Amino acid sequence: GAVVSQHPSRVICKSGTSVKIECRSLDFQATTMFWYRQFPKQSLMLMATSNEGSKATYEQGVEKDKFLINHASLTLSTLTVTSAHPEDSSFYICSARFGQEETQYFGPGTRLLVL
Amino acid sequence: AQSVTQLDSQVPVFEEAPVELRCNYSSSVSVYLFWYVQYPNQGLQLLLKYTSAATLVKGINGFEAEFKKSETSFHLTKPSAHMSDAAEYFCAVRTGGGADGLTFGKGTHLIIQP
Repeated sequence: GAVVSQHPSRVICKSGTSVKIECRSLDFQATTMFWYRQFPKQSLMLMATSNEGSKATYEQGVEKDKFLINHASLTLSTLTVTSAHPEDSSFYICSARFGQEETQYFGPGTRLLVL
Repeated sequence: AQSVTQLDSQVPVFEEAPVELRCNYSSSVSVYLFWYVQYPNQGLQLLLKYTSAATLVKGINGFEAEFKKSETSFHLTKPSAHMSDAAEYFCAVRTGGGADGLTFGKGTHLIIQP
């Protein structure tokens, strides 16, 4: 199956700093990438959808100025958590899809801990 | 709006016993349905998907699921559980034709007892 990577796998930062998470599709061109957030022992919640070369579409309740998403190429999307606070600590997972294919391929996730 | 309900937060089964993880969905339009598995501290791996072809879908690791429109269900089954099946399982739905992300259920933790 298709491979999606995320970097870093784990990050610890101080409150008030910004953190960038990368999501790459390694062996296919991802026309659409998705960012999810997962709290401990809970399900994944969709944060935003991004299409290459256009602005991301955010889900209701997700602050677009806090969670900056850039999908500059067909193989790379980045999520930047700006001015991170402890409540932003979570597991962030990206997924990628080619064209209108139904299947999303998920990255391994990035665990963010804000102190 | 679409939603997914996984009725059981955890399901314990004995090794080699059959497994059934329940999933019900609600949607006013046609749907694509998915089952994903998540091992601790890892991302999600696709087990199988329903895309309006055959209603009985076979996936990896011996799992299968049957789409029942009249019951709005897509339960995941396996005839014989292995210790390596212990994980979190998520059912997800996506409506057809759009570019939307997936809506996930809350997950079911499958516990394998020796």
